[in-house]
Amino acid sequence: AQSVTQLDSQVPVFEEAPVELRCNYSSSVSVYLFWYVQYPNQGLQLLLKYLSGSTLVESINGFEAEFNKSQTSFHLRKPSVHISDTAEYFCAVSDLGGTSYGKLTFGQGTILTVHP
Amino acid sequence: GAGVSQTPSNKVTEKGKYVELRCDPISGHTALYWYRQSLGQGPEFLIYFQGTGAADDSGLPNDRFFAVRPEGSVSTLKIQRTERGDSAVYLCASSFQWNTEAFFGQGTRLTVV
Repeated sequence: AQSVTQLDSQVPVFEEAPVELRCNYSSSVSVYLFWYVQYPNQGLQLLLKYLSGSTLVESINGFEAEFNKSQTSFHLRKPSVHISDTAEYFCAVSDLGGTSYGKLTFGQGTILTVHP
Repeated sequence: GAGVSQTPSNKVTEKGKYVELRCDPISGHTALYWYRQSLGQGPEFLIYFQGTGAADDSGLPNDRFFAVRPEGSVSTLKIQRTERGDSAVYLCASSFQWNTEAFFGQGTRLTVV
């Protein structure tokens, strides 16, 4: 069984400030790791993923996340946020040896609110 | 359309009634997933189809829940004898195959009164 904990339910920040959204997971097997984003009134969208290789992964809109196996973490960071980054962010894991890596275990979500 | 389509977007039903929720995946996607998202929670896995067959239904909460995908495309999630605790947003996702990115629909908000 796997579980995902997002340590902050809400994160308010000012525009152009840095932000970190924390994610820790628990699993007895190796996992794939994902961050999904849900903008207001839209469906979930994949932001970035770690499957293998470099532990630092990046998205096209400036977010990055680093897989830390020893700390079982996959924190999401952005050095300078924009108003348009306001959304709910979900961390998720999938069993490396499972039936499908679309079978995801999600965290509870973190609402990022960027203020002008 | 280009994305995963779910209908209806909203459904209100009375306790004890039967409901069907529909998912149209992206054309050509062989894998289809159903999730349930309760208020303030992340999505929870319900069932995964590969083609027409349910490859993993371990997330279905009880035998009131059932899903089909008879032709390997459209899927229907069926809930019998609905209860107030079934109120949630039901999400559908599809992927080209089992090891590729899953794309989510906007969900059906089910309210049982």
